[in-house]
Parts: sequence; C-alpha cells; structure tokens
Amino acid sequence: QSALTQPRSVSGSPGQSVTISCTGTNSDVGNYNYVSWYQQHPGKAPKLMIFDVSRRPSGVPDRFSGSKSGNTASLTISGLQAEDEANYYCCSYAGSNTWVFGGGTKLTVL
Amino acid sequence: QLQLQESGPGLVKPSETLSLTCTVSGGSIGSSGYFWGWIRQPPEKGLEWIGNIYYSGSTYCSSSLKSRVTISVDTSQNQFSVKLSSVTAADTAVYYCARLNWGSVEAFDIWGRGTMVTVSS
Repeated sequence: QSALTQPRSVSGSPGQSVTISCTGTNSDVGNYNYVSWYQQHPGKAPKLMIFDVSRRPSGVPDRFSGSKSGNTASLTISGLQAEDEANYYCCSYAGSNTWVFGGGTKLTVL
Repeated sequence: QLQLQESGPGLVKPSETLSLTCTVSGGSIGSSGYFWGWIRQPPEKGLEWIGNIYYSGSTYCSSSLKSRVTISVDTSQNQFSVKLSSVTAADTAVYYCARLNWGSVEAFDIWGRGTMVTVSS
C-alpha cells in the first residue's frame, strides 16, 4: 500500500478556483469509487469534505467538488476563500478492507 | 451527536509497546455498517492508515504495520484500542481514532481530536 501522490502545495487568490490531484494505481483509485477528501487546519483533526469521489457531506459548501479519471482523483475548490487555506488529503479504498491516504497538499490562499 | 476521544500515555520508551484507547460516546460501537479505525500523523507529515476493527472483532491492518499492531474492541465499554509494539522514534505521531462509515459514505466521517505520542527515552 504505497501512499497516493498529491502535489506538495497549490495556491490561488480569493475567488479563483484550484484543483488538487491525487494519483494512485489500478489497485486503489482506479479500481474503486471510494475516494474521499479531508481538510485539515493546523492543530485540528481532519474533516471529511468529499466521499465516494464526488459526494458532499451535509454542511460542506458546494464550492467543493470531486471527480475521478482513471487512476487520478481531483478535488476542485471554486470561489476560494481565506478559510479554505489548509492541508488537504485524499484517501482511497485499496481492496481487502484496506485504505491508503495521500501525502497531503498545502493550499495557500494568496 | 457521536464523539470519539483518544486516551493513553503521551510518552513511550523505545522498544516498548504503545497503547491507546478510543472511547465512543453518543452512539453504540456495535451499530452495523460502521468500522472503527486508527490513523496516525507524524509531525509535519501526512496521514497514515493503521487499521480498522468491526464490533464483531474482525480487524484489518496496514501491511507495513501488521506485524506490530493489535486492534481490539470492548463493546461493553464502547471502546476500541490499538497496541503498537517495538516502537521507535519513527512511531512518534498524533494518533487519531475515527469512524469508518461503510455502506452509505465509505469514508472516515467522524474523527477524534487526536493524541500526541512521543517515543523517547
């Protein structure tokens, strides 16, 4: 179970859109529609933002959206706001009741 | 509202066993459709899945930690626990417990606040 690959950092100005990629293999991201995304502010626990590739839990703004193509999943945040500045982690089911996280991406709102 | 709370020693000596417990409140650990998991995060690093347990006792662990990890559940106390043996400095991390909602969400939807464990003599 190797960690999923995410860019170390991304940035954008308020109001803009950013996309964070999450690349796995055909044993995890490519084989299951069980990709989730988590937002983590410094010193806080992760918060679920997207599950099942593109579904949002209640209370998560629709500015957050997810998608997947092949072995790569993506999180897009539109209309960037200052409070979106955080670390973001993807996670995928990897079969046989195992899970794998990405290395994390630091989002900076300029 | 379901809440999870980690507890255990904040300092463990190298080669010893790290033991943590997660107490579930506001709901039953025995509810079907939910697994209970442990995830850790070394300082300034990313999240690493350690393993999950179902209330029946079935456990699933990361292949990289499998030889050192034991996860158990106590339904009478609404708790589940993790033990990590032969620890080294590389096991220093914030340890989170979380609920894996399987069947409707397929994600870790509720997390504890985390507890910092330092491995040092």
